[in-house]
Amino acid sequence: ETGVTQTPRHLVMGMTNKKSLKCEQHLGHNAMYWYKQSAKKPLELMFVYSLEERVENNSVPSRFSPECPNSSHLFLHLHTLQPEDSALYLCASSQSYRDIVRPQHFGDGTRLSIL
Amino acid sequence: DAKTTQPNSMESNEEEPVHLPCNHSTISGTDYIHWYRQLPSQGPEYVIHGLTSNVNNRMASLAIAEDRKSSTLILHRATLRDAAVYYCILGNFGNEKLTFGTGTRLTIIP
Repeated sequence: ETGVTQTPRHLVMGMTNKKSLKCEQHLGHNAMYWYKQSAKKPLELMFVYSLEERVENNSVPSRFSPECPNSSHLFLHLHTLQPEDSALYLCASSQSYRDIVRPQHFGDGTRLSIL
Repeated sequence: DAKTTQPNSMESNEEEPVHLPCNHSTISGTDYIHWYRQLPSQGPEYVIHGLTSNVNNRMASLAIAEDRKSSTLILHRATLRDAAVYYCILGNFGNEKLTFGTGTRLTIIP
């Protein structure tokens, strides 16, 4: 139990569907992250939110739209995805963004498959 | 960004110590050395971090070379549950992003 919960654990969707991934942290952290982990590739940072404000957007296509309504919840809205977007999407949180000595706590991810 | 180099894979026998190496020859004086691991079907998990001195916690020990160009993660008594991909990552204040490489896949032999 990491304190970071992601739902759903698995998602299969067509390229024209719209879906959302949800992440919730129960750790009282102020920073939240989305990562993408494709097969045989390292984790890639997608977005960072600090105190509900987006502070990092690493050239992610607009078909991925993050939302952070409060410091405990993070969403990733998906629409018109491509087959290459099939991957494991991981959410993480940390005490604060600008504090490298505070570890990140990860959820177990959502396995996304695009048909 | 300073890079790290790790072996792609390692094997170890159960109940024996494991030494996982990491080279970071271009490390800066303010870079912290972080270790995370990712068990099968799970997200990464923090293991340990250090700056200059060796560090111990309930999960592992981190031995840092005197010149800081390399470090070693030590699992004192490996169990089957330690089978995972281990990532060595550098980060500092001002560059707090964790840049994951491909890590070392550790296999534990019963």
